[in-house]
Amino acid sequence: SQQGEEDPQALSIQEGENATMNCSYKTSINNLQWYRQNSGRGLVHLILIRSNEREKHSGRLRVTLDTSKKSSSLLITASRAADTASYFCATDNALSNTGNQFYFGTGTSLTVIP
Amino acid sequence: KAGVTQTPRYLIKTRGQQVTLSCSPISGHRSVSWYQQTPGQGLQFLFEYFSETQRNKGNFPGRFSGRQFSNSRSEMNVSTLELGDSALYLCASSLNSGRLETQYFGPGTRLLVL
Repeated sequence: SQQGEEDPQALSIQEGENATMNCSYKTSINNLQWYRQNSGRGLVHLILIRSNEREKHSGRLRVTLDTSKKSSSLLITASRAADTASYFCATDNALSNTGNQFYFGTGTSLTVIP
Repeated sequence: KAGVTQTPRYLIKTRGQQVTLSCSPISGHRSVSWYQQTPGQGLQFLFEYFSETQRNKGNFPGRFSGRQFSNSRSEMNVSTLELGDSALYLCASSLNSGRLETQYFGPGTRLLVL
């Protein structure tokens, strides 16, 4: 299975602090995406980083990608209580032929304490 | 634009029954993917439909099937339900079927099998 793993599984921080979560995956990829899920609801797309990119920013989010280590990190700066959610990375498989088959990691549960 | 909608939102069935879930993608999106989310297995890819054709299929038994209509709406069917089919079923749409496509998720259908 190409399913990735997020680390840590759970993270608890104070509001205003930064949160960093990591994702590792197994095969070559074309892109990696990060999603947020609030308590059993649908996933919200946060950011997509292509395999030829090393870093990408979007608002308070910073994503890095190291294809040599098959890993990515998501940094949320100046966290807010509303950031409390589970965060997942998702990758495609560069070795597969077609389509939108994405592989999700196991998720990091982030709690931001007001 | 309206987001991805899924119906019904909640469903209770008994073992042996069958169930049909519906997904309406964002207007103009032609690809619809389905995922199963459980606490034990995480998010797992079921299948993807594009232009009424199944493009990819995950590692699920034949009891899980789907289809896509000419208006891009999609349905998935699970026959002979088992207790282990209890899960959140998520549908995601994207403009096209491709590796760099961003997927937009619906709120999910929570299925409980008794």
